[in-house]
Amino acid sequence: ELKVEQNPLFLSMQEGKNYTIYCNYSTTSDRLYWYRQDPGKSLESLFVLLSNGAVKQEGRLMASLDTKARLSTLHITAAVHDLSATYFCAVDHYNTDKLIFGTGTRLQVFP
Amino acid sequence: DVKVTQSSRYLVKRTGEKVFLECVQDMDHENMFWYRQDPGLGLRLIYFSYDVKMKEKGDIPEGYSVSREKKERFSLILESASTNQTSMYLCASSSGTLYEQYFGPGTRLTVT
Repeated sequence: ELKVEQNPLFLSMQEGKNYTIYCNYSTTSDRLYWYRQDPGKSLESLFVLLSNGAVKQEGRLMASLDTKARLSTLHITAAVHDLSATYFCAVDHYNTDKLIFGTGTRLQVFP
Repeated sequence: DVKVTQSSRYLVKRTGEKVFLECVQDMDHENMFWYRQDPGLGLRLIYFSYDVKMKEKGDIPEGYSVSREKKERFSLILESASTNQTSMYLCASSSGTLYEQYFGPGTRLTVT
């Protein structure tokens, strides 16, 4: 059974600081996705990582994928309050169209 | 831009009622999904569909059914709503290339 684990589950960080969210998954997969969810809202796609070594960056967020280690990271650079949200990673289930989601990391950025 | 819409943002129903949640996507996607999201449990897949009239069970199909008569529309049906089906319901669609899923705004269902 494919399992996806994120850590930390909760992250409270000061503006201007850097931090990394980790996403580990249990079986082979070449496709990994990161989503953002604001309170009371739906999920918004952030990054699609499709191969080993893939790196994507958008503003203060950078995502990477290591398929051999079954690990993806979401790195936050110089956090700002607007980044406060819950971040989910999701892994393609054995190359089907199903995604298995991690439990999410709730990020709170304070002044 | 892909647009996924859901028929209601908020819905309140009584125990035992039959409930229909509608989802429509405008990008000709083959795949459509229904999830429920509960605090501490993340997103759980209820049903998905690869094509018109095709459906497959997800991880928690009990108490739910689905219908996909047209490619753009995927309906979730609660045959007899129960209080433990109070949740946020999210619909998503994807195409057969990147498989990136696009989500609708969600329906917050309360069953009393």
